[in-house]
Amino acid sequence: GAVVSQHPSWVICKSGTSVKIECRSLDFQATTMFWYRQFPKQSLMLMATSNEGSKATYEQGVEKDKFLINHASLTLSTLTVTSAHPEDSSFYICSGTPYSNQPQHFGDGTRLSIL
Amino acid sequence: QKEVEQNSGPLSVPEGAIASLNCTYSDRGSQSFFWYRQYSGKSPELIMFIYSNGDKEDGRFTAQLNKASQYVSLLIRDSQPSDSATYLCAVTSSASKIIFGSGTRLSIRP
Repeated sequence: GAVVSQHPSWVICKSGTSVKIECRSLDFQATTMFWYRQFPKQSLMLMATSNEGSKATYEQGVEKDKFLINHASLTLSTLTVTSAHPEDSSFYICSGTPYSNQPQHFGDGTRLSIL
Repeated sequence: QKEVEQNSGPLSVPEGAIASLNCTYSDRGSQSFFWYRQYSGKSPELIMFIYSNGDKEDGRFTAQLNKASQYVSLLIRDSQPSDSATYLCAVTSSASKIIFGSGTRLSIRP
């Protein structure tokens, strides 16, 4: 149980393009989902906490106007990287949990390459 | 002081031996503790979770928690080359926020 599906798994696009990444909890309801970014050989960096029906909470240094998060239902959160630039190239991973003290379950991640 | 600290490694262990991974945390109010394994280029996968002091065993894996010392560890018995990965310790803080350590790279040498 506790499966999180993330799409797409790989995106290559031109600078200036906006990219949307979807994160779905398949067999549980996720009031809260999390978005992470990971650069090569570095640790996971929490970008934002996505709350169903309300605004996301962004970590310090993460531009909320650049990384738009929508959590419209208990099973779907989306991250849109607006006007992406090469420095936004990274591995983006979402996770969700049924309850706050239970393990987070991760999607397979999205590798974003901006040319 | 980082909220969740792990030795970055790499930790090199011979095949068949016990690998011991350690993690300390700063928030005494932490309630939930998790170990994730992450292969290169992949997302983390849950290995173990523990909520109470003591040991919890699952197959070749044992998680150990000592809240008084603010210490959680993961033991991997009969280490296999497929265990080579980065292991992430994660702790749920008293504010219900999950904090990840930076991970320990484990290498199992044949």
